[in-house]
Amino acid sequence: NAGVTQTPKFQVLKTGQSMTLQCAQDMNHEYMSWYRQDPGMGLRLIHYSVGAGITDQGEVPNGYNVSRSTTEDFPLRLLSAAPSQTSVYFCASSSSTSTQYFGPGTRLTVL
Amino acid sequence: AQRVTQPEKLLSVFKGAPVELKCNYSYSGSPELFWYVQYSRQRLQLLLRHISRESIKGFTADLNKGETSFHLKKPFAQEEDSAMYYCALRPGRRALTFGSGTRLQVQP
Repeated sequence: NAGVTQTPKFQVLKTGQSMTLQCAQDMNHEYMSWYRQDPGMGLRLIHYSVGAGITDQGEVPNGYNVSRSTTEDFPLRLLSAAPSQTSVYFCASSSSTSTQYFGPGTRLTVL
Repeated sequence: AQRVTQPEKLLSVFKGAPVELKCNYSYSGSPELFWYVQYSRQRLQLLLRHISRESIKGFTADLNKGETSFHLKKPFAQEEDSAMYYCALRPGRRALTFGSGTRLQVQP
């Protein structure tokens, strides 16, 4: 039981490049979320999903896309990276009765 | 919309001193409240949730609906308690809303 996994751990992009951050969970959780963590701002919700095929926007969705084709996977896509997207990204999952379990994070730098 | 406020960015105490990390929230319904801890460069871990009313690593937190607060307390701080602490609220079945975090520094 690996819990919540994220890849890559680190990534450096140039402005305008696109990439996908991967997130997977093996706990059969229906809820999955993406957060970004910035100094002094805590964690802010980007997008979340309450089940396969269902996604919704969080607090800071602009510049990011998500999809949820399976229960296990919830990738986050950056369409055209900007320096303002330099951050640490955390994926989390939960069931209707459990708390959220977090992945180890992806540290992204956009030059 | 819901909001979580942690007024202190940094709290520095000496080992053995009492600790209180403040958390206030605003939400029109009955929220679930949590405290998460993040040790240096690690993932967030759940410390407490208000519905379980348990003590973890000597920490406790009581939900005060009148004051809309969920302060985290420990009577005697240890150096290994040094970390970032986040208060979070879950409104209904949605994802968590986090406060901005408080860094606890326990000095020897």
